[in-house]
Amino acid sequence: DVKVTQSSRYLVKRTGEKVFLECVQDMDHENMFWYRQDPGLGLRLIYFSYDVKMKEKGDIPEGYSVSREKKERFSLILESASTNQTSMYLCASSNYGTGVNEKLFFGSGTQLSVL
Amino acid sequence: AQTVTQSQPEMSVQEAETVTLSCTYDTSESDYYLFWYKQPPSRQMILVIRQEAYKQQNATENRFSVNFQKAAKSFSLKISDSQLGDAAMYFCAYSNTGNQFYFGTGTSLTVIP
Repeated sequence: DVKVTQSSRYLVKRTGEKVFLECVQDMDHENMFWYRQDPGLGLRLIYFSYDVKMKEKGDIPEGYSVSREKKERFSLILESASTNQTSMYLCASSNYGTGVNEKLFFGSGTQLSVL
Repeated sequence: AQTVTQSQPEMSVQEAETVTLSCTYDTSESDYYLFWYKQPPSRQMILVIRQEAYKQQNATENRFSVNFQKAAKSFSLKISDSQLGDAAMYFCAYSNTGNQFYFGTGTSLTVIP
């Protein structure tokens, strides 16, 4: 089975700290995604990457950056954490099917609290 | 931009009964996929069922089936013989040829023993 691993399940940080959320997938998937999940808002795309060193902004990229130096690893960076970035962060990966993504595989999420 | 709408924030069903979760979407594309994902309290998102837009036949997976109405842009999930383990947040999702996935706001399903 595909495994998407997020390095932390719970994380508590202080305002202004630089925060790194790490995600690793083990199935050689081209595409990787970072979502933010908030009650009543569903999942919102922050950034995605379709290849090493490539990145595309999603719907809510402000305050975030990403890094993909290796195919299996996709990092989300909060340059200066703020309280409004307290949220659940979900990493996902997918493979190219016939030109349309077949499905997303998700990590188990990181609940980030910024105090 | 594509949008996915789930108009039922919460639903409940008696154990062994049937429940239908609603989803509508907006797109101008003809080639796309639709999904239902389940997120139990463990937070692990699990794919429940997938529908290719070009297929007229509704997808089924054991107790889970969909009613896909392409012209109406509607994609509802029916859960038959509901079980306690079906209690979760359910997300409807759309995927286009641009490799992006769009999610609804979710429906929280409670199963009453």
